[in-house]
Amino acid sequence: GENVEQHPSTLSVQEGDSAVIKCTYSDSASNYFPWYKQELGKRPQLIIDIRSNVGEKKDQRIAVTLNKTAKHFSLHITETQPEDSAVYFCAASLLAGNMLTFGGGTRLMVKP
Amino acid sequence: GAVVSQHPSWVICKSGTSVKIECRSLDFQATTMFWYRQFPKQSLMLMATSNEGSKATYEQGVEKDKFLINHASLTLSTLTVTSAHPEDSSFYICSASPSFNQETQYFGPGTRLLVL
Repeated sequence: GENVEQHPSTLSVQEGDSAVIKCTYSDSASNYFPWYKQELGKRPQLIIDIRSNVGEKKDQRIAVTLNKTAKHFSLHITETQPEDSAVYFCAASLLAGNMLTFGGGTRLMVKP
Repeated sequence: GAVVSQHPSWVICKSGTSVKIECRSLDFQATTMFWYRQFPKQSLMLMATSNEGSKATYEQGVEKDKFLINHASLTLSTLTVTSAHPEDSSFYICSASPSFNQETQYFGPGTRLLVL
């Protein structure tokens, strides 16, 4: 089955700096790669996703890149703000409505 | 937007008792629902895939006789933790994929279970 590795497990940045989180996956059949933000005790919130026919996608301060050949994808957050502090999870699946395999998570701390 | 609810939001029970958690899609029909479990400071792990009108598909290592899943309608799936033990204490989250658009899924708010 699919295996998703995520790095780093914790990331501390100064407000205004950029943050990058990286994930690798094992199953070349995976086509859908979402990123979720989870605050303590809450449900995961989809912040951005990318499909295998696209190499990069951007939404304001958030961008995701995908290298399907190398089987890795990354989340980039620019101009970080304290409210960006949370746990971020990458995931992979065959389709957006299929079961998700999650990475281990990254705890992002943005220092004011 | 599509809404998925879970009930209860939290539950405390004694060891050995059974607990039922409901996952409802409020404004759409969901052929498929997923049940995930999240231990403190860990990731979400898929427990099972619940399909309306058929038996659930369990992931390796998840006991189907302990975690009973019923998806009797297109808007409701239930997870029953039978004979709960302290090691079953966790955050249980469901997600639902709309029948009209299987290109997406929506998460419920989660149920926190504490077994004493």
